[in-house]
Amino acid sequence: DTAVSQTPKYLVTQMGNDKSIKCEQNLGHDTMYWYKQDSKKFLKIMFSYNNKELIINETVPNRFSPKSPDKAHLNLHINSLELGDSAVYFCASSKTGMNTEAFFGQGTRLTVV
Amino acid sequence: TQLLEQSPQFLSIQEGENLTVYCNSSSVFSSLQWYRQEPGEGPVLLVTVVTGGEVKKLKRLTFQFGDARKDSSLHITAAQPGDTGLYLCAGARSGAGSYQLTFGKGTKLSVIP
Repeated sequence: DTAVSQTPKYLVTQMGNDKSIKCEQNLGHDTMYWYKQDSKKFLKIMFSYNNKELIINETVPNRFSPKSPDKAHLNLHINSLELGDSAVYFCASSKTGMNTEAFFGQGTRLTVV
Repeated sequence: TQLLEQSPQFLSIQEGENLTVYCNSSSVFSSLQWYRQEPGEGPVLLVTVVTGGEVKKLKRLTFQFGDARKDSSLHITAAQPGDTGLYLCAGARSGAGSYQLTFGKGTKLSVIP
């Protein structure tokens, strides 16, 4: 079984659309994350979330919103997609606490046309 | 401002050569993690270094954490084509009750047979 799974793996959509990316982890972790990796491979954190607190990277536009129906899921919803949103989005999870390993999903390649 | 500076950004070497990748910051981290990412996959943890001056070895890979816990290096001995990939360092910090990993921009390594 895949530890952290994301769907879809590829997403092509037009500007202005609203889309969601789903993420599920079966590791029993309390903390989940969304990262964005741009064309230059820079991996930048967007959100970190556990059942107590949502930490938002201040540079993330408010068109992006994480939604967590339960501890094992953290979905990413994006409104009014723009060309600059094209990137690979990674979901990750870890145990809560210091120095723990982050487990990543395979990524969702989003292309906005 | 990039919190973690990773160098070199690109490295192409012949099989059998040695190489070192550096990860530097002006900030102190509770730990430094090294990840490796292959195309189409998410990053996978190689090692976590926690104590200043700590050295860890993983087969032909040697990881070191700086005494002041601000920098780290990854040394690969006798590189193999299978070492090809994107190497990412990540600094772990806590603040406001949360824990976050901040990634460097990565070093893309190509080992030529």
